[in-house]
Amino acid sequence: QKEVEQNSGPLSVPEGAIASLNCTYSDRGSQSFFWYRQYSGKSPELIMSIYSNGDKEDGRFTAQLNKASQYVSLLIRDSQPSDSATYLCAVVPGAGSYQLTFGKGTKLSVIP
Amino acid sequence: DVKVTQSSRYLVKRTGEKVFLECVQDMDHENMFWYRQDPGLGLRLIYFSYDVKMKEKGDIPEGYSVSREKKERFSLILESASTNQTSMYLCASSLHEGGMVGELFFGEGSRLTVL
Repeated sequence: QKEVEQNSGPLSVPEGAIASLNCTYSDRGSQSFFWYRQYSGKSPELIMSIYSNGDKEDGRFTAQLNKASQYVSLLIRDSQPSDSATYLCAVVPGAGSYQLTFGKGTKLSVIP
Repeated sequence: DVKVTQSSRYLVKRTGEKVFLECVQDMDHENMFWYRQDPGLGLRLIYFSYDVKMKEKGDIPEGYSVSREKKERFSLILESASTNQTSMYLCASSLHEGGMVGELFFGEGSRLTVL
């Protein structure tokens, strides 16, 4: 069974701080990695994708991938109360796979 | 603006009823997916389709079937609804190419209650 693990939280950070969200995955052949944000009562929305080792930055968000350690993380700089949501890590297991496996999500609360 | 539209936001059905959940996307995406989301269990894939008339089982297909007669439309069918199928159902679509398979666009969800 291919697994994606996340700390369920809640993770609480003060406004303006850096929020760090972590995810590990079990399938060493995984190729593609994603972070989705889900506000309470809403559907998930894609915020970051990363396909190669290293960092990828988009505004206040940075995704980090380390395939050797089977680890992917999301950093949110200058956290805002509007960032309060559940963040879902998702992985496509391998080349040619259509099936995205989601972690159960980490709930983030940004305290004003 | 790209869109995935699910036919019903809220449904209440009785045990044993046949239930149809419909999903339409306007992005010309090849892949379409049905997930259910339950507290503590996260998002679980029921079925997906990578082409018209093609379907593949996900992690929890039991009690469900799907239909994809047109590229833009993917239907989820509960042949005989049961109370353990009470859940939020999410439809999603994505492109076929490489990693973009995982770049899902979700509909707003259909909350089904089976009494």
